[in-house]
Amino acid sequence: GAGVSQSPRYKVAKRGQDVALRCDPISGHVSLFWYQQALGQGPEFLTYFQNEAQLDKSGLPSDRFFAERPEGSVSTLKIQRTQQEDSAVYLCASSFELEETQYFGPGTRLLVL
Amino acid sequence: SQKIEQNSEALNIQEGKTATLTCNYTNYSPAYLQWYRQDPGRGPVFLLLIRENEKEKRKERLKVTFDTTLKQSLFHITASQPADSATYLCARYNQGGKLIFGQGTELSVKP
Repeated sequence: GAGVSQSPRYKVAKRGQDVALRCDPISGHVSLFWYQQALGQGPEFLTYFQNEAQLDKSGLPSDRFFAERPEGSVSTLKIQRTQQEDSAVYLCASSFELEETQYFGPGTRLLVL
Repeated sequence: SQKIEQNSEALNIQEGKTATLTCNYTNYSPAYLQWYRQDPGRGPVFLLLIRENEKEKRKERLKVTFDTTLKQSLFHITASQPADSATYLCARYNQGGKLIFGQGTELSVKP
């Protein structure tokens, strides 16, 4: 497809479970971003890749959060030992270059019980 | 740290009226501000970008202004329609190139 896709769209996890969220960016987009969006709030930056290099991970809330983009295209955000406060929508965005228009995927809604 | 603030209170207006949404920022003026639209269950969609040396920008029924003295951007939708109902987000880049979003303002246009 032409847009950014994310899977799964919805994920319910038991507290303590590990989860993996996938992002397929627009083909040819160098920059890839992950955001976390709590209910009623704007997206908050988590991490940023340029090709396969993770250049900024300052927004990751704890060392339970890990992201990778090994071949410079698809990216995975992994959350280990999920906690209830991890419940949110996780958005992925890509852009041709940094500080160009970002195109967002539909998000993965994570609910931790 | 840089902050973006938007009215958290929902805006309810009648179809055909002009909707005006406010975005205030702190600290230094960004080189430009961006406005996004977000519908329930979807990711934000880019609408408009305005640079600090532009007082006003228009796109169809949308108009954005940028006042560096007031540290404020206004987003207007003229002749509003029920289909304009959504959450509108303002965003700026910080010095590290990250997008910083406001909390968004929910707009509801009643027929």
